[in-house]
Amino acid sequence: QKEVEQNSGPLSVPEGAIASLNCTYSDRGSQSFFWYRQYSGKSPELIMFIYSNGDKEDGRFTAQLNKASQYVSLLIRDSQPSDSATYLCAVEYYNFNKFYFGSGTKLNVKP
Amino acid sequence: EAGVAQSPRYKIIEKRQSVAFWCNPISGHATLYWYQQILGQGPKLLIQFQNNGVVDDSQLPKDRFSAERLKGVDSTLKIQPAKLEDSAVYLCASSQGKQVYNEQFFGPGTRLTVL
Repeated sequence: QKEVEQNSGPLSVPEGAIASLNCTYSDRGSQSFFWYRQYSGKSPELIMFIYSNGDKEDGRFTAQLNKASQYVSLLIRDSQPSDSATYLCAVEYYNFNKFYFGSGTKLNVKP
Repeated sequence: EAGVAQSPRYKIIEKRQSVAFWCNPISGHATLYWYQQILGQGPKLLIQFQNNGVVDDSQLPKDRFSAERLKGVDSTLKIQPAKLEDSAVYLCASSQGKQVYNEQFFGPGTRLTVL
């Protein structure tokens, strides 16, 4: 089983809609979770991180963590064409200092 | 604050040749990472340094890849000899090296094409 799994997509949503991106992970102790955005031909850039159960909001972005079900999600409200990119989920395991990326979900926001 | 610097940005070589990539992390960042990203896939960690010591190199193909981080600052990644399947973007990232919540900052990457 991979440490982090994501649906590769593409996920297509109309402009103004909510985009929901999901990620599942292997539970190996203490961890925190990161969402990175990667435009085509560019490097990943951090959107937000979360480490406690529940929701964390930052502008149009909300990260949700459910440790019991071992999933983390990213919601993008009022999606814009400029949000079209690949979204990478990553997990950091503190106890053995490891960091893993998922394969990414490609999001297309149609005008 | 200057970001992570990498060079070269692009490199084209023939198989069996050797190549080296350079990375200069953000000043003060203790942890440095080298990733390989094949088109359509997520970044795969090759090696992680904490200062000038290796924390994780479990996915580094040691028969052909090597990396070093001199004086805990700059780092070089070398491939010798290169294979066709090494064609990828090589990303360098750095973080503060805190106990938790280590945000990684990525450089622009080096796109390697092996012919």
